[in-house]
Amino acid sequence: EVQLLESGGVLVQPGGSLRLSCGASGFTFAKFAMGWVRQAPGKGLEWVSSMTGTGGHTFYTDSVKGRFTVSRDNSKNTMYLQLDSLRPEDTALYYCARAHDDAVTGSAGSFDYWGQGTLVTVSS
Amino acid sequence: DIQMTQSPSSLSASVGDRVTITCQASQDIRSYLNWFQQKPGKAPRVLISDASTLHTGVPSRFSGGGSGTHYTFTITSLQPEDVATYFCQQYDDLPLTFGGGTKVEIK
Repeated sequence: EVQLLESGGVLVQPGGSLRLSCGASGFTFAKFAMGWVRQAPGKGLEWVSSMTGTGGHTFYTDSVKGRFTVSRDNSKNTMYLQLDSLRPEDTALYYCARAHDDAVTGSAGSFDYWGQGTLVTVSS
Repeated sequence: DIQMTQSPSSLSASVGDRVTITCQASQDIRSYLNWFQQKPGKAPRVLISDASTLHTGVPSRFSGGGSGTHYTFTITSLQPEDVATYFCQQYDDLPLTFGGGTKVEIK
């Protein structure tokens, strides 16, 4: 059974940093692209970042470029999202999701499994 | 960026009713479209991929269709457990983008 478990969400001040983790089980982690999607309170879903299986290619939405960094450790079946220079508008529930294969777009890039999310609150 | 316009934003229907939600893309997304169900406090659950492929374990009362820029999602016989918010999402190009969601309630 595919399982994804996010952790690391906390209350942080504007300008602060934190690292989110997404632990995976039930599949061969290195063979799949992964992504982060966030949902601000009461709002819709927003794609944040994606990364290919080997970690060779990373992608970001414009609003987080230069502030967020996605990475993965395939030996630990874990993906990370480093959040720096945080802003109040980054407040959201952050989900990790698995792609259907090792791609970020097209049929192979479709998100087919999601975690439960971890809450990041940016406030003074 | 590809804009996804989803309608309606909410609907109320009776148990057993047929419910249809539409998603309009700002450009051809070549059927690279997911439909998700999200219940309060829960993670999104993928129901349909590639516009019309039912995900494993999803009841057959859910279906999807369309092509090009226009897509539909249908519940053929609404059940009480279908109360949720439904989202469409395109994965033809980055940035991946989502529709605004449709909140489905029982009348």
